Amino acid sequence: DAKTTQPNSMESNEEEPVHLPCNHSTISGTDYIHWYRQLPSQGPEYVIHGLTSNVNNRMASLAIAEDRKSSTLILHRATLRDAAVYYCILRAVGRGAQKLVFGQGTRLTINP
Amino acid sequence: IAGITQAPTSQILAAGRRMTLRCTQDMRHNAMYWYRQDLGLGLRLIHYSNTAGTTGKGEVPDGYSVSRANTDDFPLTLASAVPSQTSVYFCASSDSLAGGYNEQFFGPGTRLTVL
Repeated sequence: DAKTTQPNSMESNEEEPVHLPCNHSTISGTDYIHWYRQLPSQGPEYVIHGLTSNVNNRMASLAIAEDRKSSTLILHRATLRDAAVYYCILRAVGRGAQKLVFGQGTRLTINP
Repeated sequence: IAGITQAPTSQILAAGRRMTLRCTQDMRHNAMYWYRQDLGLGLRLIHYSNTAGTTGKGEVPDGYSVSRANTDDFPLTLASAVPSQTSVYFCASSDSLAGGYNEQFFGPGTRLTVL
């Protein structure tokens, strides 16, 4: 599986936008970019995923570089509840069990 | 709908003892997974199952075994626990037969301490 690189930690203020970067220079053409987050003392939860085009959902937006070697998860208005570890994961689409390979992620701190 | 439940929530276990962590999902997902998460690190896959009756090894399978007798249950067994198996264990499931992207749903975790 191709590797991703994320900053260890980031900090932002409540109600401000947050941009979480992820580098994946060895991404292959069949790799989707997934984002999961893990709130304190909980299991990970799905945030968003994309292949080539930018994606929006109720939780966040995903901006994907034209060469697909990097992406950015955007939280438009951070709340205290968004404080979590955010994982950027690459995985090829297809049938069968999708084994996610987690790195260390980015620990996001939100200041009130 | 409960989603995924895990039991016990936490457990302290003497080294050498046998332990089974339970995982049940009510979403009729075909694929299930077991991950472990050590302090300050990301999750690592232990074992997975594509469908009832089949299992596969993940990144760190040694010392663990799984079975998948039916769709809903995916127990993880430590035959003879060792202190290095102290970790938080997460069970997950996904509907991988749908093709395309299949989101994984995670349980609340079991915190296991082996002394």
